[in-house]
Amino acid sequence: DADVTQTPRNRITKTGKRIMLECSQTKGHDRMYWYRQDPGLGLRLIYYSFDVKDINKGEISDGYSVSRQAQAKFSLSLESAIPNQTALYFCATSDWDSNYGYTFGSGTRLTVV
Amino acid sequence: AQSVTQLDSQVPVFEEAPVELRCNYSSSVSVYLFWYVQYPNQGLQLLLKYLSGSTLVKGINGFEAEFNKSQTSFHLRKPSVHISDTAEYFCAVNPSGGSNYKLTFGKGTLLTVNP
Repeated sequence: DADVTQTPRNRITKTGKRIMLECSQTKGHDRMYWYRQDPGLGLRLIYYSFDVKDINKGEISDGYSVSRQAQAKFSLSLESAIPNQTALYFCATSDWDSNYGYTFGSGTRLTVV
Repeated sequence: AQSVTQLDSQVPVFEEAPVELRCNYSSSVSVYLFWYVQYPNQGLQLLLKYLSGSTLVKGINGFEAEFNKSQTSFHLRKPSVHISDTAEYFCAVNPSGGSNYKLTFGKGTLLTVNP
């Protein structure tokens, strides 16, 4: 099994629908992150969590919300999806020690029509 | 705050040629530097990192990068590329020390290796 698992891998949804992207990890890391990747824009941070009780907004949090259900689970929700949220979404984890960098999931490709 | 500029959005090269992917950063504090690689339809994988010490860092798959503090650069190099190196490469930075650890990424460089 992968260290960081994202579900679903692909999703097509309609404008206005609520959708949840899920992330679970077996790394035992405290820190989890949600990034969005768009062509030519790189990765932009949506939300991050340093432990179960700590949730922080990233640079592009508008239109998104998150839930840290447990140390191993971090979900991203789009309350009312819009077409410009069409993107590739990545979950990542890290230990408190920044020397090791991130471990990424395989991504969720979301299309809003 | 930190920022990362990857100077080339696309770099086409022929197989067995050398390649350099350029990365410059901006930060008011000391930083850790990373290069990640994303193969088609996959997540990002750590290629190499600079934390301290020797400014020449070696990573996986024959890649290396050199940290230049005066030029605030961290360019990635490989002396001879293979078709399998075709991927997107991301430079990233994080403030060293402290506990506020979240990476800032560049916009990526698409490396295409042609036969």
